[in-house]
Amino acid sequence: DAMVIQNPRYQVTQFGKPVTLSCSQTLNHNVMYWYQQKSSQAPKLLFHYYDKDFNNEADTPDNFQSRRPNTSFCFLDIRSPGLGDAAMYLCATSRERGRETQYFGPGTRLLVL
Amino acid sequence: AQSVTQLDSQVPVFEEAPVELRCNYSSSVSVYLFWYVQYPNQGLQLLLKYLSGSTLVKGINGFEAEFNKSQTSFHLRKPSVHISDTAEYFCAVSDPGGYQKVTFGTGTKLQVIP
Repeated sequence: DAMVIQNPRYQVTQFGKPVTLSCSQTLNHNVMYWYQQKSSQAPKLLFHYYDKDFNNEADTPDNFQSRRPNTSFCFLDIRSPGLGDAAMYLCATSRERGRETQYFGPGTRLLVL
Repeated sequence: AQSVTQLDSQVPVFEEAPVELRCNYSSSVSVYLFWYVQYPNQGLQLLLKYLSGSTLVKGINGFEAEFNKSQTSFHLRKPSVHISDTAEYFCAVSDPGGYQKVTFGTGTKLQVIP
């Protein structure tokens, strides 16, 4: 039944050690998003893919990268995690942008030691 | 640029009482409006959305919201809450132009008291 799957649910990494979070979807949606959510804050859009077209938000640090090798999978790479990158990372998908419902995964909680 | 304001960070309410969660938006164009709910340790789930047409929108779990263009508001209501409604609620806005980015508010934590 799971439509948007994120692995792992919890990730612990060390300061400066690269980490990759993964997201997969069974909905065959065109759009995949990565959000960063810190405690008591709004989900913050980092970037999204519309099919293979990558769209970065202007204020997303260069430390954050993403890959979408096929329709089903999308990865978030954090090249050198800092303490400030500890957060919940949410993946979402939608059929199209704008008016379409976004379907969210359960999130990956990242802890940086 | 569009933005969303949720003035209430926390709303405590007794079980079976009515509740209203407030949302105001800012946009220079027509908008799409959404309410999402987030249960603990889970992702967000759509409650309802306004795209056009009737200003009263009904969603899942007995929630409804009313779009008020003159007041730029999209408040969420439920006539009688249950313990299971305890969660965080996010209002969001998207404009039909550009690449239609969705902007989320900071959320309102609804705590239902038995």
